[in-house]
Amino acid sequence: KNEVEQSPQNLTAQEGEFITINCSYSVGISALHWLQQHPGGGIVSLFMLSSGKKKHGRLIATINIQEKHSSLHITASHPRDSAVYICAPTGNQFYFGTGTSLTVIP
Amino acid sequence: KAGVTQTPRYLIKTRGQQVTLSCSPISGHRSVSWYQQTPGQGLQFLFEYFSETQRNKGNFPGRFSGRQFSNSRSEMNVSTLELGDSALYLCASSFRGRGDYEQYFGPGTRLTVT
Repeated sequence: KNEVEQSPQNLTAQEGEFITINCSYSVGISALHWLQQHPGGGIVSLFMLSSGKKKHGRLIATINIQEKHSSLHITASHPRDSAVYICAPTGNQFYFGTGTSLTVIP
Repeated sequence: KAGVTQTPRYLIKTRGQQVTLSCSPISGHRSVSWYQQTPGQGLQFLFEYFSETQRNKGNFPGRFSGRQFSNSRSEMNVSTLELGDSALYLCASSFRGRGDYEQYFGPGTRLTVT
């Protein structure tokens, strides 16, 4: 399986740190989604991108289609960013990374 | 606009029984996708429906089935439940489906099979 490799699996950061989560995939895709899941289960779609870079507040997502790689960056991390982040490259169906569990300590 | 709703939120069933889960998409969305999430396998794609037609299907046995109604509401059914079917079942809706449209997730149905 392993169409999607996500790293790191777990990440602990101090409040204010810059965080990077990486996603590499082997399937052909039309877009890649970054998802956030809080304890309790609810999933929120943070980004959907098919090229380049997108920014929402302190979150930045980039994708390199040729290299089949995407990164999610969080600037000035905050305890409320603590969640599991999942990349989901998508073609005819969704593929999912195993998720990165982020804990931001005050 | 109301979000994606799923019913029931929690369910306990016995091995061998069958179960039907329901998903109501955001108004105007015509695509509904279903996902299974377990601690061991993570998130896995089940199937996608668009305008009452199944458009894509993941690698799940035939015990897992679904349908979509003319109002875009969708149901998924699991027959002959197994212990391994215990999971969080999520649905997501989007305007057009495929991967290049924003997906909005429901809160999920947590199914426990005993």
